[in-house]
Amino acid sequence: DIQMTQSPSSLSASVGDRVTITCRASQSIRNYLNWFQQKPGKAPKLLIYGISSLQSGVPSRFSGSGSGTDFTLTISSLQPEDFATYYCQQSYMTPYTFGQGTNLELK
Amino acid sequence: QVQLQESGPGLMKPSETLSLTCTVSGGSISSYYWSWIRQPPGKGLEWIGYLYYSGSTNYNPSLKSRVTISVDTSKNQFSLKLSSVTAADTAVYYCARGPVTVLQGQPFDYWGQGTLVTVSS
Repeated sequence: DIQMTQSPSSLSASVGDRVTITCRASQSIRNYLNWFQQKPGKAPKLLIYGISSLQSGVPSRFSGSGSGTDFTLTISSLQPEDFATYYCQQSYMTPYTFGQGTNLELK
Repeated sequence: QVQLQESGPGLMKPSETLSLTCTVSGGSISSYYWSWIRQPPGKGLEWIGYLYYSGSTNYNPSLKSRVTISVDTSKNQFSLKLSSVTAADTAVYYCARGPVTVLQGQPFDYWGQGTLVTVSS
């Protein structure tokens, strides 16, 4: 299985901060990398697909980058509604796998 | 707007077979892949398997011996069966559209709200 490792596992930040979450795959996954946001009691929501394509309706403060095995999710200016858990996920090979999650908390 | 809704029992006993249905509305089940994904309380996400509308399937090897995913195109529904459940199968079960092969990255783009299944004697 392809292992997805996110860092950090948790992060404290303030409204207006710029935040970066990293995701590393255990082997190259080309551009089959997606990011999800999950709030408590809710289903994950697709934010970014194919490393850097913004899902419809997602604010432009979210961006993704990377290649091969190393990827990042950046939130340029944190808003109150952005405090949530973020997951990366690979669709390069089954079984599809997710990172362990990054819990973004209000400082 | 595509919407997905899971349905099924919330409480089960060990050794029983879990059975969930996902009803798709606002769009056809045809021409897409459909997945089940689960999340134990307080933990991360685990992909269980997918089904193509034509009926072909792919399962996570960690669950393959116990999982069956099937489709009823006439009802725009797909279903999950997981046999011989234990407490380790306690989780929120989500149905989702995907992998969406027409999108780069082939993501899961629409999700149901999730249903908690608790396995307890």
